[in-house]
Amino acid sequence: QSALTQPASVSGSPGQSITISCTGTSSDVGGYNYVSWYQQHPGKAPKLMIYDVSDRPSGISDRFSGSKSGNTASLTISGLQAEDEADYYCSSYTSYKTHVIFGGGTKLTVL
Amino acid sequence: QVHLVESGGGVVQPGRSLRLSCAASGFTFSSYGMHWVRQAPGKGLEWVAVIWFDGSNEDYADSVKGRFTISRDNSKNTLYLQMNSLRAEDTAVYYCARDSQLGMLVYYFDYWGQGTLVTVSS
Repeated sequence: QSALTQPASVSGSPGQSITISCTGTSSDVGGYNYVSWYQQHPGKAPKLMIYDVSDRPSGISDRFSGSKSGNTASLTISGLQAEDEADYYCSSYTSYKTHVIFGGGTKLTVL
Repeated sequence: QVHLVESGGGVVQPGRSLRLSCAASGFTFSSYGMHWVRQAPGKGLEWVAVIWFDGSNEDYADSVKGRFTISRDNSKNTLYLQMNSLRAEDTAVYYCARDSQLGMLVYYFDYWGQGTLVTVSS
């Protein structure tokens, strides 16, 4: 099974908003509301930012929001800050036997 | 405060074995499913294995099935990954991660360890 499809890179200026897409199939993103997003700074472990498509864990800024339409999920970061510069990975439950599949990752650059 | 600390990584020759450990603290370890997730150098995340909160079931990615074994000792709050017949493509940072839901599996990972690097090379 192939990884979910994310853009390799996105960029934005401080204060702006950006959106990262995550495209799958009806067997994963489109079939379940079990999409999550992780932030990873260089040399650090991933951090859960969004789960169940649009829910935020306690302590995560409301500048981070998630949504889904059909087979594509999206992560939007509003009011970009320098510390948002990181890699972002989407993940989805899948009916395939691996149960969970990740996207290839998107590098966010804050200009 | 939840802490997960992996250990046991290192350099190993192809075909050899290695056992990773993950020491957990700050939560009721026996109530949560636990996962191993790996990341090859410069690459994305790959789910490797999961074990149910009580150790009653486990599951693996096809890429490691038959070679890796996940286990846990709830009396020691420790998760393990026994890796046999290692291949060059197993080279990665291995993270242990907690499933976010108490008593069941939802495949969201709310706490991660710092990772341990496994390098398979002759």
